[in-house]
Amino acid sequence: AQSVSQHNHHVILSEAASLELGCNYSYGGTVNLFWYVQYPGQHLQLLLKYFSGDPLVKGIKGFEAEFIKSKFSFNLRKPSVQWSDTAEYFCAVTGGQAGTALIFGKGTTLSVSS
Amino acid sequence: GAVVSQHPSRVICKSGTSVKIECRSLDFQATTMFWYRQFPKQSLMLMATSNEGSKATYEQGVEKDKFLINHASLTLSTLTVTSAHPEDSSFYICSARGALNTEAFFGQGTRLTVV
Repeated sequence: AQSVSQHNHHVILSEAASLELGCNYSYGGTVNLFWYVQYPGQHLQLLLKYFSGDPLVKGIKGFEAEFIKSKFSFNLRKPSVQWSDTAEYFCAVTGGQAGTALIFGKGTTLSVSS
Repeated sequence: GAVVSQHPSRVICKSGTSVKIECRSLDFQATTMFWYRQFPKQSLMLMATSNEGSKATYEQGVEKDKFLINHASLTLSTLTVTSAHPEDSSFYICSARGALNTEAFFGQGTRLTVV
C-alpha cells in the first residue's frame, strides 16, 4: 500500500540551528515527492518538489530536500532555521500520472524559539 | 503557481442539515480534483478523487452517500456533506491537478462545525 512516514512528530529548535526532517515513502513505480508547509491558520503551501533529475532539490525560504531512491527517502533540510519557520510540515508522494492523489505523511510540527 | 479557491472558509450548521463546499480552479483546467479531510493536529486524509464528468472514486471507509461529490466542469467541484452530524466537524481541503501538470494545488480549506 502507498504510504508516507514522517519520523519526527514534534521538533523543537532554537533559531540558527540546523533542521532535518525525515520522510520515507512506500510507493510502487515512478514517484513525485513534495514537501508542504502549513503555517498556523493558513493553507498548505508548496516548499519544494521532486519529479526527476537532480535528486537534490532546492525550494523556497532556504529549504532543500534530497531524494535517495535506494532508501526511499526524501528528507527536508535547512541549514539555519528562523522563528518564522514555526509551522507544520508535510511530506507527500504521488505517482507520475496527473490523475493520482497526493498521499500525505502525518506531519511534523516544528517549533523554533528565538 | 495556479490558484485554487475554496468557499466557504468557515461554516457552522445544525445537525441534520446539508452543507455544500465549492472548490474552483481559477486559472487552469482541473482534470482531477481531490477532497481531503484534516483532523486537528493530524495529516490530510484523502476522501475521494473526482474526474470531470465522471463519478468520484471514494477511499475505503468514506461514505459516498454522505459526502456527495460533483465535478461538473473543469473548474468546479463541490462536496456536499449530507445530514451532517457533529462528528463530521472537521477541516475539509480540496486540491486540483491539471491534465499535464503533476503538481497539485490546494484550496485554503473549509472549517465545518456541526452543532
